[in-house]
Amino acid sequence: NAGVMQNPRHLVRRRGQEARLRCSPMKGHSHVYWYRQLPEEGLKFMVYLQKENIIDESGMPKERFSAEFPKEGPSILRIQQVVRGDSAAYFCASSPNSVYNSPLHFGNGTRLTVT
Amino acid sequence: AQSVSQHNHHVILSEAASLELGCNYSYGGTVNLFWYVQYPGQHLQLLLKYFSGDPLVKGIKGFEAEFIKSKFSFNLRKPSVQWSDTAEYFCAGFLDDKIIFGKGTRLHILP
Repeated sequence: NAGVMQNPRHLVRRRGQEARLRCSPMKGHSHVYWYRQLPEEGLKFMVYLQKENIIDESGMPKERFSAEFPKEGPSILRIQQVVRGDSAAYFCASSPNSVYNSPLHFGNGTRLTVT
Repeated sequence: AQSVSQHNHHVILSEAASLELGCNYSYGGTVNLFWYVQYPGQHLQLLLKYFSGDPLVKGIKGFEAEFIKSKFSFNLRKPSVQWSDTAEYFCAGFLDDKIIFGKGTRLHILP
């Protein structure tokens, strides 16, 4: 019974390159959330998606960041033209339905390092 | 603005000491509240949750939390901590359509 799977676990990119982070939710979960974790700042909400729909992207930077959750395949968080400030741990979480009545299940995260 | 705040960023205790980690939320509507724990190098795991009903919630590993509506608080407690409780603890609330996390409290237990 696989949990939330994120890959890669570690990702190193040079400034200006693109970073693609993948998240496969738990089986049966159709709601995906992305969070960014920086030291001393906790977890910052980025985006909430359901299959093929972005429900809330209020935490996403306006430029360079995008997310999708296609009908088939994992959810992708894409960061274009990365900068040093993008270095962080990115966590994906899923739930079977709205988190109003079910908690989130987290993946192990992707640690992005921009050199 | 909707928010979740944790008062203590770093807490150091000796084994067998009692623990209380503060959490306050700012939201006018109905809230669902959570405590998550992140052990070193691991992902976040749910400790306990409050949706409704008894405001004193029991979680895993001997943790409990009390929802006090009048104080907008949801403090985490454990009567006697162990070295293995060393971790980072996050309070979170379902506010609007998403879960908002506090900044976390790093707990270090001295053996």
